[in-house]
Amino acid sequence: DQQVKQNSPSLSVQEGRISILNCDYTNSMFDYFLWYKKYPAEGPTFLISISSIKDKNEDGRFTVFLNKSAKHLSLHIVPSQPGDSAVYFCAASHPSNYQLIWGAGTKLIIKP
Amino acid sequence: ETGVTQSPTHLIKTRGQQVTLRCSSQSGHNTVSWYQQALGQGPQFIFQYYREEENGRGNFPPRFSGLQFPNYSSELNVNALELDDSALYLCASPDGSTGELFFGEGSRLTVL
Repeated sequence: DQQVKQNSPSLSVQEGRISILNCDYTNSMFDYFLWYKKYPAEGPTFLISISSIKDKNEDGRFTVFLNKSAKHLSLHIVPSQPGDSAVYFCAASHPSNYQLIWGAGTKLIIKP
Repeated sequence: ETGVTQSPTHLIKTRGQQVTLRCSSQSGHNTVSWYQQALGQGPQFIFQYYREEENGRGNFPPRFSGLQFPNYSSELNVNALELDDSALYLCASPDGSTGELFFGEGSRLTVL
């Protein structure tokens, strides 16, 4: 039972345009959401997070939006750059335990 | 540089064998968690250690065990290896002040 879902295995975007990566979750008790970026042969690196008490968090080119009623979050990257090409994972945490629940990832390809 | 290093980076074992994976983190990271990432999936939480004791476990059988040492280095041991244990194993530690989770580059295990 996947509690965190990233339904797009891959996404291709033109350099300079906006990249939008989506993530859906099923557990309404999740209180914290994170996006990680992973390059081949490297571990995931933290990108941006959002608490369930907010609906938007922005950090430079990266913005995460949270829609609690729809149990949906999205990561916007604008403008997209070639170095953004990577696999992006959405993860969620529950206040009562220690583990992160991860989506399967979306491979983002930025075309020059 | 995440301050978390893992060894070995790659290894090949045969079914039924045992494997030990290692993780070291810079001082101050007294919590370490281990994840298994199968091909095409997000990381799955195996367990977490805090001050040398396991304090959280995901849905993995007892043949997955771990240790954390006083210097905060950690081991993941897997007994009676199965083909489905082939995966990237990630170790992670949180930054003591920000809580941001830092991952090692992972150990890629292939079971033949």
